[in-house]
Amino acid sequence: AQRVTQPEKLLSVFKGAPVELKCNYSYSGSPELFWYVQYSRQRLQLLLRHISRESIKGFTADLNKGETSFHLKKPFAQEEDSAMYYCALSGHNQAGTALIFGKGTTLSVSS
Amino acid sequence: EPEVTQTPSHQVTQMGQEVILRCVPISNHLYFYWYRQILGQKVEFLVSFYNNEISEKSEIFDDQFSVERPDGSNFTLKIRSTKLEDSAMYFCASGKGSNGYTFGSGTRLTVV
Repeated sequence: AQRVTQPEKLLSVFKGAPVELKCNYSYSGSPELFWYVQYSRQRLQLLLRHISRESIKGFTADLNKGETSFHLKKPFAQEEDSAMYYCALSGHNQAGTALIFGKGTTLSVSS
Repeated sequence: EPEVTQTPSHQVTQMGQEVILRCVPISNHLYFYWYRQILGQKVEFLVSFYNNEISEKSEIFDDQFSVERPDGSNFTLKIRSTKLEDSAMYFCASGKGSNGYTFGSGTRLTVV
């Protein structure tokens, strides 16, 4: 079964602390993994794709096929990082396929 | 930066009424999607649309739902006879292919 698991509903950290938002997946084929972010009262925005291997706003995520994980990390959290973060997957090179979302993790960064 | 536009931002309707949610995807995108998010729950896939037909739909997308691309620019989601449990945020998205989509800002549907 295709599934994305984000085990933490809420993650609270202090400004400057490292952040790791966990994501595990279950997929029979070769998946493409994404992180989306939703700031308060705003639309879902693409943050990262595993294929592009880029760093956006200081966030990185590495696909670990052995552990079927795609954890999102940032070494030093900022208050403006407070948002809802969704891990999602789709079939690799399968244009038009549905995104399967995890339940999301709320990141709260306080000073 | 191009955006996916959704109207209205908030729709209140009586149970049993029909609603049409509208979306203008990004102009050179080929794939179109509707997702919904019930308050406090995760984002759920409803339907994908490509080449003027549904390419995939979830079990949520039953006979009460339909999608249309009437004029080559708009992409609509119709709910024929709304139920209380249809109250949710509905997101439209568009994409070029197997990369990340661009989402609209959503329409909050409240069924009373």
